[in-house]
Amino acid sequence: DAKTTQPTSMDCAEGRAANLPCNHSTISGNEYVYWYRQIHSQGPQYIIHGLKNNETNEMASLIITEDRKSSTLILPHATLRDTAVYYCIVRVTGTASKLTFGTGTRLQVTL
Amino acid sequence: DGGITQSPKYLFRKEGQNVTLSCEQNLNHDAMYWYRQDPGQGLRLIYYSQIVNDFQKGDIAEGYSVSREKKESFPLTVTSAQKNPTAFYLCATSGGITEAFFGQGTRLTVV
Repeated sequence: DAKTTQPTSMDCAEGRAANLPCNHSTISGNEYVYWYRQIHSQGPQYIIHGLKNNETNEMASLIITEDRKSSTLILPHATLRDTAVYYCIVRVTGTASKLTFGTGTRLQVTL
Repeated sequence: DGGITQSPKYLFRKEGQNVTLSCEQNLNHDAMYWYRQDPGQGLRLIYYSQIVNDFQKGDIAEGYSVSREKKESFPLTVTSAQKNPTAFYLCATSGGITEAFFGQGTRLTVV
């Protein structure tokens, strides 16, 4: 799996959009971008994934650049419950491939 | 969570003893993974298995052993050779074309 780099931490005011960046400059053509988050002392939770096109679900939006070397996870209206560590990973889908996490971004949502 | 059961949630062992952590799934997923997480750190891959009777070392396999005799089960043994076993251990599964699902973790403390 290709490596990803993310900022160590970010702050966001409650009600504002949280934009979390991720660089994956060595991503391969068949690798998807996945986002997970981990609230303290729990198992990580899946958020969203995508290949080329932008994706949206009930939790978040994923914007992938045209060259696929970076992406941004957007939480449109952050709440205090969104305070967590957010992980961006890349992996090949369709195979039971090695699944490697980086250190993630610690998002702190404040009043 | 999501059909993955890790037990126990908290585990205390004396130094020098082997201990086995349980991970069971009813999602019919082929791939299973074990991660270790230290305070304030990301997830590090210990072992993973893509199919029954097969498994591969992850990034920090030394001092650990696994088995995959059944599709539903992927137990992790922390041996006495693991120099610093106190950590939070997470098990995950993946169906290949789906995202990974995580258990709620086992917090191991060696005294």
